[in-house]
Amino acid sequence: DSGVTQTPKHLITATGQRVTLRCSPRSGDLSVYWYQQSLDQGLQFLIQYYNGEERAKGNILERFSAQQFPDLHSELNLSSLELGDSALYFCASSVATSLEFHEQFFGPGTRLTVL
Amino acid sequence: KNEVEQSPQNLTAQEGEFITINCSYSVGISALHWLQQHPGGGIVSLFMLSSGKKKHGRLIATINIQEKHSSLHITASHPRDSAVYICAALSYNTDKLIFGTGTRLQVFP
Repeated sequence: DSGVTQTPKHLITATGQRVTLRCSPRSGDLSVYWYQQSLDQGLQFLIQYYNGEERAKGNILERFSAQQFPDLHSELNLSSLELGDSALYFCASSVATSLEFHEQFFGPGTRLTVL
Repeated sequence: KNEVEQSPQNLTAQEGEFITINCSYSVGISALHWLQQHPGGGIVSLFMLSSGKKKHGRLIATINIQEKHSSLHITASHPRDSAVYICAALSYNTDKLIFGTGTRLQVFP
């Protein structure tokens, strides 16, 4: 158990809908990262937040947004969903302010299926 | 051509064998991560390194910055090592993590 929790574990929805994925980091970790893992694209970094502020942005679509709240939990919002958004979405946390040099602890992931 | 390439894509081994997984990258990096993803999907961070060598139990990771190459070694492999191993390079210029496509390892008893 990494100490990072993600809800829900599974999510099935329809195209055009909007969903929210939630992540609670390990106690004491200020950084939260979101990743997408699809069958055809592998793992991709989406976005990082540190103590409530966006720190780094990856291949995140404009239809996607994230935020980190004062209690440090983070939410990833996916809107106008398309079939291609079906993937595993991972959240990770670390003590780091940037991506380097600090171990990231991964949550169990949320499997999103868009029908 | 991918900026981070791993080889081999698939690897099978007998229990006890020494295993090497390679990662080459074409971008300037600040650090390189090795991750392990189990069949159930869970991901564990194994190593982060920016130079030299790190060891944890039966796992050893090395990096050669000049050659833009890293290796993950598993000594005395065990069936529980069966997983997908992924390397990810932190790009020095863009500060983004770029992932390799992974190496699927199966260790048979």
